[in-house]
Amino acid sequence: QVQLVQSGADVKKPGASVKVSCKASGYTFTTYGITWVRQAPGQGLEWMGWISAYNGNTNYAQKLQGRVTMTTDTSTSTAYMELRSLRSDDTAVYYCARDGGGNTPFDYWGQGTLVTVSS
Amino acid sequence: DIVMTQSPDSLAVSLGERATINCKSSQSVLYSSDNKSYLAWYQQKPGQPPKLLIYWASTRESGVPDRFSGSGSGTDFTLTISSLQAEDVAVYYCHQYYSTPPTFGQGTKVEIK
Repeated sequence: QVQLVQSGADVKKPGASVKVSCKASGYTFTTYGITWVRQAPGQGLEWMGWISAYNGNTNYAQKLQGRVTMTTDTSTSTAYMELRSLRSDDTAVYYCARDGGGNTPFDYWGQGTLVTVSS
Repeated sequence: DIVMTQSPDSLAVSLGERATINCKSSQSVLYSSDNKSYLAWYQQKPGQPPKLLIYWASTRESGVPDRFSGSGSGTDFTLTISSLQAEDVAVYYCHQYYSTPPTFGQGTKVEIK
């Protein structure tokens, strides 16, 4: 069965960086993309960007351009999302989700990773 | 960006009664070449990730109970729970995947009356 398993919760100071991992299993990793979505406490869902696991092409949300980098390691079927220059309003649960690529819904989601930014 | 607006923000429904959630997009998400509306619905329970319920506006994801149905086309969509069960208490989100960036509605919280 398809599973996306994310890394554990993290606490960072303002200005630091965080890297969240998302390990996929149960399907051929390179035939799908991975989307990252975040959810601030008590808030809605915000799309952060997408990466193709086939060729590494990326598409980032405009507001995060320059602060976010998404990568994949096809040898371990793992996707990564790094966010730099963290601010308090980056405190959120970060989700990875499987994405068919090119206008498709997100059919499987990771369990989420809480990132807390606090001095 | 396409703005997705859900109504109401919350609703309380008695067990066994119908729950209806509306979603309106700021521009059409109907792709003329395939006549499909690029609209999905998700259910999110506390402490859990979103779960895909409906895609292409009305196609139920495998394993989703048939009391959940989606309808609409273009800019106006509806998610209906025909007979509310206790396990349906959750926040529901609509999502357009017609254009980048994909966007979500603000969510509708469904509770038991």
